[in-house]
Amino acid sequence: EAGVAQSPRYKIIEKRQSVAFWCNPISGHATLYWYQQILGQGPKLLIQFQNNGVVDDSQLPKDRFSAERLKGVDSTLKIQPAKLEDSAVYLCASSTNRGGYNEQFFGPGTRLTVL
Amino acid sequence: AQSVTQLDSHVSVSEGTPVLLRCNYSSSYSPSLFWYVQHPNKGLQLLLKYTSAATLVKGINGFEAEFKKSETSFHLTKPSAHMSDAAEYFCVVSSSNTGKLIFGQGTTLQVKP
Repeated sequence: EAGVAQSPRYKIIEKRQSVAFWCNPISGHATLYWYQQILGQGPKLLIQFQNNGVVDDSQLPKDRFSAERLKGVDSTLKIQPAKLEDSAVYLCASSTNRGGYNEQFFGPGTRLTVL
Repeated sequence: AQSVTQLDSHVSVSEGTPVLLRCNYSSSYSPSLFWYVQHPNKGLQLLLKYTSAATLVKGINGFEAEFKKSETSFHLTKPSAHMSDAAEYFCVVSSSNTGKLIFGQGTTLQVKP
């Protein structure tokens, strides 16, 4: 079974530029998550999708971050404009939705450096 | 509100000696607790999970953790460390409503030959 795919793996941009990350979850997984992991910290949830609807985006900085999950499969996370403090690893995860606890499977992440 | 506190940011052990990574949690109701491992340049991997069944939980690669409600702890242990265990370990609590994971700050495990 293929895992969660993310691209690009690395990205370096100047502050105030825009950037987009892509995630392809495990086939059949209804729930998709985007996490931000700043160096030296644990991952923090940015947004959670259930199919193509948003379940939780309470920690998403909506003035600069946006995310979508068209057709309930792939997802993109965008930052516009980027700030220095956005330098982090952006992790995508997916899980099934069979009720109760569902294990989240993580992709390898995209490492963003903002100069 | 739920939270986890990992009591050590860095733990160093010799190969073949026991491993203890400490975690305390805070939750207003019976929590679901997990340990995840992150090797350099690799994705997060679930080591083990506690979801209100047996309090002693066995995971992959010889790791286990014990849920102690009276101490609000969920410490991770392994009898004998291997060089391949060197990684970042995260203690995690889950919101039962949405499945949202709340991560601790992480503990870096160093294994010396």
